[in-house]
Amino acid sequence: DTGVSQDPRHKITKRGQNVTFRCDPISEHNRLYWYRQTLGQGPEFLTYFQNEAQLEKSRLLSDRFSAERPKGSFSTLEIQRTEQGDSAMYLCASSLAAGGLYEQYFGPGTRLTVT
Amino acid sequence: GDSVTQMEGPVTLSEEAFLTINCTYTATGYPSLFWYVQYPGEGLQLLLKATKADDKGSNKGFEATYRKETTSFHLEKGSVQVSDSAVYFCALSDITGGGNKLTFGTGTQLKVEL
Repeated sequence: DTGVSQDPRHKITKRGQNVTFRCDPISEHNRLYWYRQTLGQGPEFLTYFQNEAQLEKSRLLSDRFSAERPKGSFSTLEIQRTEQGDSAMYLCASSLAAGGLYEQYFGPGTRLTVT
Repeated sequence: GDSVTQMEGPVTLSEEAFLTINCTYTATGYPSLFWYVQYPGEGLQLLLKATKADDKGSNKGFEATYRKETTSFHLEKGSVQVSDSAVYFCALSDITGGGNKLTFGTGTQLKVEL
């Protein structure tokens, strides 16, 4: 079990550029979550997948954001036409939904800075 | 909607002092409650959890009891160490919606000094 991994760990981009982040969950986990954390705040839910199906999206996820999990394994989060307000830590978590409590395990995050 | 309120930090304690970090919640359903910890430069780690009223979660000397009557889940430790310095997040997950998304508080930074 290598844990949840995210790539890249840091990304600096200019306003208006597109960026894509990748998350690799724990291998047997069927649920994958994306959260966003700004400085001094707790993580906020963005979206989640069960296998390849995206089942819920937060209103925080504007039209510029899109997430995919094409084969039910890794996931990508793309932000188009980045804005300075998108600067944040983007966290990925995974869990095994198999009855009872679904504990979420977090990756180290991708820190995005939009200049 | 669901929400979590934590005491503001930073909390600064001397080593071996008693720690309490307050957490209260508002939820429409019957949530499960968690404490996560974030050490400097690292990701969020689950510290402890409780799934029903009067459950006590415990791990690494930390404890928290699910109090439905006061909608609270306060984190306690009898004797803190310098290595406990981190940011602590209280969170809830309402499984009634099926998604188990987590709702977090704003976090409380703990600094433990020698």
